[in-house]
Amino acid sequence: DADVTQTPRNRITKTGKRIMLECSQTKGHDRMYWYRQDPGLGLRLIYYSFDVKDINKGEISDGYSVSRQAQAKFSLSLESAIPNQTALYFCATSDLGLAGGSDTQYFGPGTRLTVL
Amino acid sequence: AQTVTQSQPEMSVQEAETVTLSCTYDTSENNYYLFWYKQPPSRQMILVIRQEAYKQQNATENRFSVNFQKAAKSFSLKISDSQLGDTAMYFCAFMKHAKGGSEKLVFGKGTKLTVNP
Repeated sequence: DADVTQTPRNRITKTGKRIMLECSQTKGHDRMYWYRQDPGLGLRLIYYSFDVKDINKGEISDGYSVSRQAQAKFSLSLESAIPNQTALYFCATSDLGLAGGSDTQYFGPGTRLTVL
Repeated sequence: AQTVTQSQPEMSVQEAETVTLSCTYDTSENNYYLFWYKQPPSRQMILVIRQEAYKQQNATENRFSVNFQKAAKSFSLKISDSQLGDTAMYFCAFMKHAKGGSEKLVFGKGTKLTVNP
């Protein structure tokens, strides 16, 4: 979905380097998410944010940090990259749905990260 | 914890034919969403269709439709008149429909669909 963009699209780095992946959206959604996809495991949630002041850990947050710079921007950082963080990373956004929960999540194009 | 199972790792279908992808899930929740996402070789995750659990009517989107069986916790995707562009990984996903909590999507491991000419 062109309304959610991710940079870079591909990145190769070395063990121990600090890496930042960026996500921007023009959908006007308050809720943003970071997932990683590994072969055979589907997508798993790293961090999520319901607004600029609300950031929460997902199921696999160790080794990652995030920053919500504005409603439209949500960055994921790997403070000291390691090879098992090699994966496809997706940003997603959603609106507020019924009953106060999230509505459908829309994904960016993904960032392929390789840690050597 | 919720789990989503896709029992068909790979499937193939001839162009213009119909194919059904299976998905089952396990949850104690009563209110939730179910989704099918498509991931073509471009790796983009594209929403195909969604279903609210409180709705009895099965969702449809053009050539895509679902068979939602809440009691059986089954959510299959039917693709009619298959096209070459339907070749992709298809992921079934579950999300609680409630205030609070992570409201994360729980994904199955995917079904790789190949449409043959």
